[in-house]
Amino acid sequence: ETGVTQSPTHLIKTRGQQVTLRCSSQSGHNTVSWYQQALGQGPQFIFQYYREEENGRGNFPPRFSGLQFPNYSSELNVNALELDDSALYLCASSLDGYLWEQYFGPGTRLTVT
Amino acid sequence: ELKVEQNPLFLSMQEGKNYTIYCNYSTTSDRLYWYRQDPGKSLESLFVLLSNGAVKQEGRLMASLDTKARLSTLHITAAVHDLSATYFCAVEWGETSGSRLTFGEGTQLTVNP
Repeated sequence: ETGVTQSPTHLIKTRGQQVTLRCSSQSGHNTVSWYQQALGQGPQFIFQYYREEENGRGNFPPRFSGLQFPNYSSELNVNALELDDSALYLCASSLDGYLWEQYFGPGTRLTVT
Repeated sequence: ELKVEQNPLFLSMQEGKNYTIYCNYSTTSDRLYWYRQDPGKSLESLFVLLSNGAVKQEGRLMASLDTKARLSTLHITAAVHDLSATYFCAVEWGETSGSRLTFGEGTQLTVNP
């Protein structure tokens, strides 16, 4: 157990809808990174939040957005869902962005039909 | 753009045999990570390699890092069925507070009796 939790575990949405995924960081961790893992591929970096501010973004369109709250929990929001958004979404928390002490959550499996 | 290449992508081996998975990357980085992923599960951290020449061992797995060659290896000794999983290497890059991981495609390992 890493202390990082995600909800929901599984989710099915329809193309064009919006979705919010949630992540609760390990206690004391002020940095959260989100990754998308399509089936059969390695995870891809979406963005990182540090102390409630976006702190780096990968090659994802603006319809992927995030929030980090004062208690360091966070959300990933995806608007206008597309079929290709079907994936496992992983969040990972760390202290001050030190990735050698980063812990991944169990993931949310999103299916877009 | 940083590229991370693993080979082989698929590996089927017999119990008791040895094998090495290779991870090449395209830009300077001193930090490389190895993860294990079981089907439908999240990422489990195996090794964190933080400098040139780093070598770490845990059970039947040993990882090494050569930053000059931009190469990491994951060596499997006397494989057992429990090692069957997908293995990812990931390279850290970016500024300290905005670092992120770029993952390889993964090596799907099957260990046969």
